[in-house]
Formats: sequence, C-alpha cells, structure tokens
Amino acid sequence: NAGVTQTPKFRILKIGQSMTLQCTQDMNHNYMYWYRQDPGMGLKLIYYSVGAGITDKGEVPNGYNVSRSTTEDFPLRLELAAPSQTSVYFCASTPGTVYGYTFGSGTRLTVV
Amino acid sequence: DQQVKQNSPSLSVQEGRISILNCDYTNSMFDYFLWYKKYPAEGPTFLISISSIKDKNEDGRFTVFLNKSAKHLSLHIVPSQPGDSAVYFCAAIIQSGGGADGLTFGKGTHLIIQP
Repeated sequence: NAGVTQTPKFRILKIGQSMTLQCTQDMNHNYMYWYRQDPGMGLKLIYYSVGAGITDKGEVPNGYNVSRSTTEDFPLRLELAAPSQTSVYFCASTPGTVYGYTFGSGTRLTVV
Repeated sequence: DQQVKQNSPSLSVQEGRISILNCDYTNSMFDYFLWYKKYPAEGPTFLISISSIKDKNEDGRFTVFLNKSAKHLSLHIVPSQPGDSAVYFCAAIIQSGGGADGLTFGKGTHLIIQP
C-alpha cells in the first residue's frame, strides 16, 4: 500500500514563482490535511478538507490555495512564493478517526 | 499563543533507562491527545493516544499519562532503545466537536538514546 504520496520531495523556488505540491492517498480517506513545519516548530495546519468539493482554512492559510476534486487528491498551490514559505510541507489523511492520521514523507521547499 | 507546549527541545537518556517526555496544554476544550514520532526525512507516525476520560493508556513499552487538572500529559518509554531516538510531537484535538479541523501540535522534543 502506498498510503499518502507527496511530490516533489524537494524544490527550490525563486521569489514570485508559483508551484503546486501534490498529495495523493489510496486509502479512500475522507479527511485530508496540509501542514507546514518550520525549523524548531511544531506542525501548523494550512488547509483541510472533509471530502471531495469541501475545503476550509486552517491556522496559516495566507499565500496558499487548495482544491479537492476527488477523494484521492488534495493539491496545495503556492502563488507568488515568498521566503517566509520556506518550510517542510506534510500532507495527511484520516478516515475520520483521530488516531488514523497517515502522513506523507513531506516536501522540503526553499524560496530564494 | 501556543495551545500545546513541549518545553524541552531535547532529552538525552541512557539505553535501558526510562524516557519521560512532557507536554502541557492551555485549551481546556481539548479532549483527545496523541503522541507522534518522527524520524528525519520522514512524516510523523502515530505512537499512542489517550482520551480525556482516562488518566493512563499503555501500549507495550509506551505509556501516556494525563493529568486534566494540571493540563499536563507525559509519555513514558521503558526501557528506552536506540531506535527510539527521534523527535516526539504531542498533539491535541477537540474530538467532541467532530475533530475535522485537525490536530494542534507542540514544537516537539528530540529524544536521544545513548548507548
């Protein structure tokens, strides 16, 4: 089982560029999440989705957008990248139970 | 303002001894707590959890204790093994509210098990 797959694993962006971080899960989970982890900090919630077609903002949504057209995919879009978005991004999914969070291996993004 | 706090950035423990990782929270609405373990270049993996209606939950070498009045929980690892060296995150959620809006994480504690 693949679980939660994130691509790319690493990316360097220039200020002002845009990109999409991909997240796919094959467990038929309804709930999906995007977190970011800055050095020495905990994970902070960017956006979440409780099912296809439904998304909502988390704690730190500014500068990001998401969509959820299918149960499997939950891409995160960065528009006009800024150095403050340098971070490690984790995607997670759960069937709805709190102990069922499965995380991807992360995308390390550097904005220069 | 941080709602989940792990005040020890790192902890060094000798192999075979007990490791105790601490976590405090400020939001009294939290009713479910989890510990995640994270190795470098990997995503966090679920370790153990506890509901606010309990004060202890055990799973093999791992035990989580919850003191609701003090808004404090701790993770005990006995005996500590080299493979336990990792960053441990404490997380909390308001499960009674549906829990859809995700976990709130602490900053993590880097546990180092020394031979």
